Amino acid sequence: QQPVQSPQAVILREGEDAVINCSSSKALYSVHWYRQKHGEAPVFLMILLKGGEQKGHEKISASFNEKKQQSSLYLTASQLSYSGTYFCGTGEYGNKLVFGAGTILRVKS
Amino acid sequence: NAGVTQTPKFQVLKTGQSMTLQCAQDMNHEYMSWYRQDPGMGLRLIHYSVGAGITDQGEVPNGYNVSRSTTEDFPLRLLSAAPSQTSVYFCASSPPAAPGTGELFFGEGSRLTVL
Repeated sequence: QQPVQSPQAVILREGEDAVINCSSSKALYSVHWYRQKHGEAPVFLMILLKGGEQKGHEKISASFNEKKQQSSLYLTASQLSYSGTYFCGTGEYGNKLVFGAGTILRVKS
Repeated sequence: NAGVTQTPKFQVLKTGQSMTLQCAQDMNHEYMSWYRQDPGMGLRLIHYSVGAGITDQGEVPNGYNVSRSTTEDFPLRLLSAAPSQTSVYFCASSPPAAPGTGELFFGEGSRLTVL
């Protein structure tokens, strides 16, 4: 079952902040975040592992609440280059990594 | 360093035809997977593999077959194409065998249209 992302879409002005949420009904051992530009492949942003380990880009921050199976991606001081579709992927026990439907982010000047 | 290579990039099929989407990676990754992307649906997992000789079904496996005879290659076969299989297909790989514990490296995608 796909994780649920919210909001479905958000429009920001440059410099504004945004939070994208991801929620699953399954027990998770990891959460991934990827960004996809139109016509391109998804690009890795961050992975959060059960137990607190995080790997990813320095300018991206995220949280993972293991008990609630929820994660949030924090985008601060947004730039035009942040525009795209953001996907969360959840690592489920039983060897599956499934993605949400995505959140469309548009940053305007 | 080629990374994950998918071929073909574009393909048009008629209903009932079969074809194979190729995926190859040169990073010696254990984990490989196939996703399809449709508008508003995100990325949906079709099949995945945690190593040569080992494959398993994802969320939407019907109508697709896979095999993993080598670490490098993970082809996706459409047995009898249907218009519902019109989509963009992405192959992705990851270093650790345990899916979800490492960064996914995606191929550029293959756009398939079934008439």
